[in-house]
Amino acid sequence: AQTVTQSQPEMSVQEAETVTLSCTYDTSESNYYLFWYKQPPSRQMILVIRQEAYKQQNATENRFSVNFQKAAKSFSLKISDSQLGDTAMYFCAFRPTGGGNKLTFGTGTQLKVEL
Amino acid sequence: GAGVSQSPRYKVAKRGQDVALRCDPISGHVSLFWYQQALGQGPEFLTYFQNEAQLDKSGLPSDRFFAERPEGSVSTLKIQRTQQEDSAVYLCASSLTGAYNEQFFGPGTRLTVL
Repeated sequence: AQTVTQSQPEMSVQEAETVTLSCTYDTSESNYYLFWYKQPPSRQMILVIRQEAYKQQNATENRFSVNFQKAAKSFSLKISDSQLGDTAMYFCAFRPTGGGNKLTFGTGTQLKVEL
Repeated sequence: GAGVSQSPRYKVAKRGQDVALRCDPISGHVSLFWYQQALGQGPEFLTYFQNEAQLDKSGLPSDRFFAERPEGSVSTLKIQRTQQEDSAVYLCASSLTGAYNEQFFGPGTRLTVL
């Protein structure tokens, strides 16, 4: 079974600054995908970024990038030039490549971007 | 195009009542998932369909929970004899097949059992 741990229940950042959200996971799988999802107060879960475990290069999507350390089983999310609209709950999630497609989520980090 | 829709958005039930929650996935999405999200927690997997076949129901917490997708599109999650611990947001997601593909989530149904 997989577990995903997010040790920061809440974080805050000033607008235009950079913030990093941490995530660690535990699995015996060798091939898998990792995701960061954003859940604003409206509740609609939105994919922010994904990473294939077999790729060494860290994924980037505009202001969002990850630091993927496979040996350490760490998958942190960096948000650059933070905007007020980034205020949301952020969930890290794990999905194996075979044997089912379900996502295993962490408990989330509530990010607040302040003026 | 339209995203994943769920109805109702809010449901209040008295303990012991049966409820049915509906999910309309994105057209053409083969895979459909149900998750349960308790307050302040991450979503937890309940069940998974590929077309009309329920391939994984390992996350259903008890035999009071039942899900179906008879024609491979709309899905219904039914909870019989609701209990207070069933209070949560129920999220539906759909995707194309394959682990790489993004799961698109609906807005969820908030169930409150009194």
